[in-house]
Amino acid sequence: GQQVMQIPQYQHVQEGEDFTTYCNSSTTLSNIQWYKQRPGGHPVFLIQLVKSGEVKKQKRLTFQFGEAKKNSSLHITATQTTDVGTYFCAGPHGGSQGNLIFGKGTKLSVKP
Amino acid sequence: DTAVSQTPKYLVTQMGNDKSIKCEQNLGHDTMYWYKQDSKKFLKIMFSYNNKELIINETVPNRFSPKSPDKAHLNLHINSLELGDSAVYFCASSQLGRNTEAFFGQGTRLTVV
Repeated sequence: GQQVMQIPQYQHVQEGEDFTTYCNSSTTLSNIQWYKQRPGGHPVFLIQLVKSGEVKKQKRLTFQFGEAKKNSSLHITATQTTDVGTYFCAGPHGGSQGNLIFGKGTKLSVKP
Repeated sequence: DTAVSQTPKYLVTQMGNDKSIKCEQNLGHDTMYWYKQDSKKFLKIMFSYNNKELIINETVPNRFSPKSPDKAHLNLHINSLELGDSAVYFCASSQLGRNTEAFFGQGTRLTVV
């Protein structure tokens, strides 16, 4: 079946270091979304990428969608303690718009 | 004001009991979901409802039954609870179309003892 894989599962960084999480889909995606879940919280939408090769930035966060629309990455420059949480990528399930299949997430911890 | 609200936030119950979790969204979305997040934080979709019609059911045991009285509500009823059902259950909603951003509720932490 369709799979969305995400690596690494955990990442521990020193505050100020950069962080990247990678997402790979077994199928071509019409779009990819990224969510952040703070400890004890719920997933919160960050961004959606739609176009092949698309790059979007939100302050220190850079999101990229691969040319083949099967992979994506989230890069955080100069991490801060407020970046702590689990980052999930998600793609449409079975091509159905609206039904999302999530990657297993990357848990980021930041040491001050 | 809460866009997606689910109750209760915490639920502790004994094995074999039947329980329900309620979810309501005031965003006017036409699709609602239930996700299960286990202790390893994996988010797995359980059900998806679009305009009151079930459109996916990801091999969830039939002890779990979603009920959608209208498109703003999607409740989850669980029969004969088992230890393995302990998890955080998230309700979410979205609007089908180009921008399919999902809004999540605060989650219900279910503990079966």
